[in-house]
Amino acid sequence: AQSVTQLGSHVSVSEGALVLLRCNYSSSVPPYLFWYVQYPNQGLQLLLKYTSAATLVKGINGFEAEFKKSETSFHLTKPSAHMSDAAEYFCAVRKIQGAQKLVFGQGTRLTINP
Amino acid sequence: DTAVSQTPKYLVTQMGNDKSIKCEQNLGHDTMYWYKQDSKKFLKIMFSYNNKELIINETVPNRFSPKSPDKAHLNLHINSLELGDSAVYFCASSQDPGQTEAFFGQGTRLTVV
Repeated sequence: AQSVTQLGSHVSVSEGALVLLRCNYSSSVPPYLFWYVQYPNQGLQLLLKYTSAATLVKGINGFEAEFKKSETSFHLTKPSAHMSDAAEYFCAVRKIQGAQKLVFGQGTRLTINP
Repeated sequence: DTAVSQTPKYLVTQMGNDKSIKCEQNLGHDTMYWYKQDSKKFLKIMFSYNNKELIINETVPNRFSPKSPDKAHLNLHINSLELGDSAVYFCASSQDPGQTEAFFGQGTRLTVV
């Protein structure tokens, strides 16, 4: 079975600082990987996705993530945090074939300090 | 112009009641989903429909019954509501069943008292 582990349920950074949100996956076959963001009282919005092409994926709002097969990781980064980045972030995994459902991690709440 | 819209946004009801949540998407997508997000923000898929046909049915109590009258609508009916059903329910849609990019509604916060 596939699973996703997000290290740290809460991450706090200063405005302008590097954002690093960690995601490790477990999958018996190469997966597709996703990062979603959820702003307060809203639905999820896709930030970026890895679908077997380039391992470094750029997304919206200046975020990017790198797929590292050897580390089974897909960490999300942003060089300089903005106040507007405060939200809940979810990593998700999906098998390329077979039951095509997204399996989400438990989420990481990102807080930005002024 | 809202892409995926759910109604109602908030729903407070008593145990034992039956309630429905409606979802509509205007993106022309073929696949729609219902997700449940619990109080700890954990998000889990419940159902998925592709062109009105059920393709994913997770281990969900029989009290939950999705209905897709057409591919733009996926409603969720819940019978005999229980306290544990309190959660935020999200509808989503995608062009393909693989959810390569899923678009989510704003959620329906269900509170059972």
